[in-house]
Amino acid sequence: AQSVTQLGSHVSVSEGALVLLRCNYSSSVPPYLFWYVQYPNQGLQLLLKYTTGATLVKGINGFEAEFKKSETSFHLTKPSAHMSDAAEYFCAVSDPDTGRRALTFGSGTRLQVQP
Amino acid sequence: DTGVSQNPRHKITKRGQNVTFRCDPISEHNRLYWYRQTLGQGPEFLTYFQNEAQLEKSRLLSDRFSAERPKGSFSTLEIQRTEQGDSAMYLCASSPGGGPNSPLHFGNGTRLTVT
Repeated sequence: AQSVTQLGSHVSVSEGALVLLRCNYSSSVPPYLFWYVQYPNQGLQLLLKYTTGATLVKGINGFEAEFKKSETSFHLTKPSAHMSDAAEYFCAVSDPDTGRRALTFGSGTRLQVQP
Repeated sequence: DTGVSQNPRHKITKRGQNVTFRCDPISEHNRLYWYRQTLGQGPEFLTYFQNEAQLEKSRLLSDRFSAERPKGSFSTLEIQRTEQGDSAMYLCASSPGGGPNSPLHFGNGTRLTVT
């Protein structure tokens, strides 16, 4: 069964600093990978996804993530944090081989941005 | 695109009562998902519909839970004989046709509190 591990339930950065949120997956085949963001009392919004092709994926709000098969990782980065980036971030995986449609989510990382 | 709509936003009920939530997906999205999210955790998959057919159910979906999607449009999730452990955010998501790389569009959720 596939699974997702997000290292660090809370990450705090200063405004303007680099954001790095870690995600490692466990899957028997290269999966499809997603990052979602959740603001308080709202649903999840897609930031970016990796399916096939280029391993560096750019998303909305200046975020990007790199798929590294050798490390089974899909870490999310942003060069310069903004106060509006404060939210909870979830990494998710789906299995392209089984045809199972549901996503498996990690437990999330709460990002705090200090002024 | 008016987004995924969920009602009610909040529901407080006493243990043992039945509750029903409604989800209106994005029109023309034939796939609809229900997830449950508890505090500090990522969403957990409950069930999935393609049009009116319920194609997958999680082990989390005990016999007290039932979901329907009549005519392949809106969906309802009913919990019978609620327990305090049912307190959570219930999220609905929809997606258009396509493979497991199709991103999910989430509603803002229904927060259930069982007292």
